[in-house]
Amino acid sequence: AQTVTQSQPEMSVQEAETVTLSCTYDTSESNYYLFWYKQPPSRQMILVIRQEAYKQQNATENRFSVNFQKAAKSFSLKISDSQLGDTAMYFCACTEGAGNMLTFGGGTRLMVKP
Amino acid sequence: EAGVTQSPTHLIKTRGQQATLRCSPISGHTSVYWYQQALGLGLQFLLWYDEGEERNRGNFPPRFSGRQFPNYSSELNVNALELEDSALYLCASSPGSLTDTQYFGPGTRLTVL
Repeated sequence: AQTVTQSQPEMSVQEAETVTLSCTYDTSESNYYLFWYKQPPSRQMILVIRQEAYKQQNATENRFSVNFQKAAKSFSLKISDSQLGDTAMYFCACTEGAGNMLTFGGGTRLMVKP
Repeated sequence: EAGVTQSPTHLIKTRGQQATLRCSPISGHTSVYWYQQALGLGLQFLLWYDEGEERNRGNFPPRFSGRQFPNYSSELNVNALELEDSALYLCASSPGSLTDTQYFGPGTRLTVL
C-alpha cells in the first residue's frame, strides 16, 4: 500500500523567517504527482503547490517551493518570508492509481509567530 | 468562478440513522472524490465518481455509498451510522479522471451521537 509520512507533527516559525516541512512517500507507481495542501482553521483545503514526478525541476509558487528528491522519495516544502496567514495544517499527498486518488500524510501543524 | 460547494456545513445524527451529504463540483469538472477526515485517522479516500459512475472506493464498508448526477454533482450516503463515523467529510473535484489536481470544498462536519 502507498504511504506518505510527515515526521513533524508541529512546527513554529517567526514571521518573515523561512521554514521547511518534510515529507517522504513510498509508491510503486511509475508516474505520479505530489502535492502540498494547506488547511487553515476554516477547514478549507487549499492547494499550495504541485510537482509532477517525471519533472526534475523543483516546483515553485511565489514564496513556496519544493525540494523533490525522487530517488530518496522525499518531497519537502519550503516557505520563505513566512506570514501570519500561513498558520495552518499542511498536508503532503501523492496520487495513486487510475483516477489519481490522493494518499495523504498525517499533517504538520505550522504556527507563524509575530 | 465558483469553487466546490458542500452542504450542509454541519450535520448531527444519532447512531443508526442515515446521513446524506451533498457536493457540487467546479463548473466543467466531471470527477468527484470523497474523503473522510476523522480525528486520529487522518484523511482517507472514500469514493471516486466520474461521468456518473462509481470508479473506485477506499477501504470503507458498503454502508458508505453515493452517486453522481447528470450535472456531475454528487451525494454521499452513510447508512446505519456509528459513533466512529463522526468526521469531516471533504469533497473534491477535478476536470477529469486523467488530470491530477483536485480542488476541495469546505467540508461537512458530521457528528454522530
